Amino acid sequence: GENVEQHPSTLSVQEGDSAVIKCTYSDSASNYFPWYKQELGKRPQLIIDIRSNVGEKKDQRIAVTLNKTAKHFSLHITETQPEDSAVYFCAASRRGTYKYIFGTGTRLKVLA
Amino acid sequence: GAVVSQHPSWVICKSGTSVKIECRSLDFQATTMFWYRQFPKQSLMLMATSNEGSKATYEQGVEKDKFLINHASLTLSTLTVTSAHPEDSSFYICSAREAGEKQGFTEAFFGQGTRLTVV
Repeated sequence: GENVEQHPSTLSVQEGDSAVIKCTYSDSASNYFPWYKQELGKRPQLIIDIRSNVGEKKDQRIAVTLNKTAKHFSLHITETQPEDSAVYFCAASRRGTYKYIFGTGTRLKVLA
Repeated sequence: GAVVSQHPSWVICKSGTSVKIECRSLDFQATTMFWYRQFPKQSLMLMATSNEGSKATYEQGVEKDKFLINHASLTLSTLTVTSAHPEDSSFYICSAREAGEKQGFTEAFFGQGTRLTVV
């Protein structure tokens, strides 16, 4: 079945350093890849997304890259800040089903 | 962004009773809503896809007679946990995507979640 693997499960970085989270998907028909940030007890919030017809997208300190051939995509956060600390989820979606398959999550801790 | 409201935010119920959770899209129409379950420190597991005016589609391993889903209008979907037991205690989150041709590439908006505790 459809599956999204996410690594690492936990990540600690010093404030100002970069953080990279990687996901691999199994469904080659997936064409939309959002990234969500979830703070404790709160709803997931979209931080960036990428479509299958694009290889890279950037929004200020956040960027996402997509390698369709290898079926993996990555989240890059530069100049990390303590408020970036949260759980990050990647997801993959296929046009037609519209449902998201989420990765297992990465708990990011930015140390001041 | 669009707003999805989920109610209640938290509920405590006795074992054996049923609990209804509502998910509303406040400023857009959603032909499709999704129900997820999240255990502490774990990912969001898709339970079912709720389609307006038709039966929900359940993921493998999810009991449809236990988790009743109704999507009676373009702005409201409900999840009823029937005969709840302590193992049903979890964080339930709904999401909705806007209806229309863009669905393949549009953001899904999440409700604030419902923490269910069965005692």
